[in-house]
Amino acid sequence: GEDVEQSLFLSVREGDSSVINCTYTDSSSTYLYWYKQEPGAGLQLLTYIFSNMDMKQDQRLTVLLNKKDKHLSLRIADTQTGDSAIYFCAEAHGATNKLIFGTGTLLAVQP
Amino acid sequence: GAVVSQHPSWVICKSGTSVKIECRSLDFQATTMFWYRQFPKQSLMLMATSNEGSKATYEQGVEKDKFLINHASLTLSTLTVTSAHPEDSSFYICSALSSGQFGTDTQYFGPGTRLTVL
Repeated sequence: GEDVEQSLFLSVREGDSSVINCTYTDSSSTYLYWYKQEPGAGLQLLTYIFSNMDMKQDQRLTVLLNKKDKHLSLRIADTQTGDSAIYFCAEAHGATNKLIFGTGTLLAVQP
Repeated sequence: GAVVSQHPSWVICKSGTSVKIECRSLDFQATTMFWYRQFPKQSLMLMATSNEGSKATYEQGVEKDKFLINHASLTLSTLTVTSAHPEDSSFYICSALSSGQFGTDTQYFGPGTRLTVL
């Protein structure tokens, strides 16, 4: 079955870069997404990458995709306290549009 | 654009009662919506895919008679938890599928509904 894994916790200092990693098992994924969830709230779509891309940059966010190793990462430059949240990666399958979510990474930004 | 709302935000009910949760796409039409459940400190688990004008498709292990889904219009899907019990207490999140600003079919999520069953 499909499995999407993330490290549970990441702590960084304000102003540093954060790198959140994700590994997945299904090579037929069409799109891979990063979502942010603040306490008690729904999910906010941050960015996505198509499976035939290696990298995508969007302001402070950089997504890297290593399809061979089935590894996805999200880099947040100049991390701010407002970036503290849980980050979920998710893979999508084109036929069904279903999302399989990772286990989530809690990012704690220290002032 | 691509805003999804849920109502109510939170609900507390007695064991054995039924609770209805609404999911609305406010500025776009959604043929397909999804319902997820999230337990504390866990990831989102897909419960079912809701299709406008047809029956919902449930994931393995989800009881369709307990979690009734109705997608009667292109902007509204409802999830009814029937005869709720304390183990049904969870955070329920819906999403709606849209081509949206990212140019590909993307799920936009509602803010979630916290259900507590006493």
